[in-house]
Amino acid sequence: SSELTQDPAVSVALGQTVRITCQGDSLRTYYASWYQQKPGQAPMLVLYGQNSRPSGLPDRFSGSSSGNTASLTITGAQAEDEADYYCKSRDTSGSYAFGGGTKVTVL
Amino acid sequence: QVQLVQSGAEVKKPGASVKVSCKASGYTFTRYYMHWVRQAPGQGLEWLGTIDPSGGSTRYAQKFQGRVTMTKDTSTSTVYIELSSLRSEDTAVYYCARELSSGWVNWFDPWGQGTLVTVSS
Repeated sequence: SSELTQDPAVSVALGQTVRITCQGDSLRTYYASWYQQKPGQAPMLVLYGQNSRPSGLPDRFSGSSSGNTASLTITGAQAEDEADYYCKSRDTSGSYAFGGGTKVTVL
Repeated sequence: QVQLVQSGAEVKKPGASVKVSCKASGYTFTRYYMHWVRQAPGQGLEWLGTIDPSGGSTRYAQKFQGRVTMTKDTSTSTVYIELSSLRSEDTAVYYCARELSSGWVNWFDPWGQGTLVTVSS
């Protein structure tokens, strides 16, 4: 199955740490990738693999994976990190799926 | 720099078809699979399918089988998605995205700017 489950929303105080999780059977085989989307903008890659960031992305974004769960952690959240975050994975049939998305609010 | 530029917004009537383009630049077009993803208003991301720009092979999400066609034009480094028998539920922003991969890891980067398709009578 390629279904991925995310919490709909989380909030974090400015400067604190927040973890976003993504669960799915496909994550036992394939790593997740993570995308940030701000209102009116296209999604943007923030993390892929075990813990790889695209060049230029702040190192406050980190990732981990265990069993059927992948996680994206923002350490020292900033106001500009307020956005929707989506995980993505593929399955053994070659199809892809996105999680439902997590809205991160920075208080 | 690597860039994906999509065609402009479309308004279609129910039952019609729409074709959206995505022009790639800044890299070797035939080396990377391209994917299409859509997002209905206020909703999450939904994967539609992928095309190999080298040979043209495609894989579509089961939900869209029979209604979606992805093609490519190597001479202009452009991929296309055509969706037929449009209904109001197809109203969404359609994105193209390049796939990169390494072993058990794959990711989409970059994404096109998105094309709004509105289906309305």
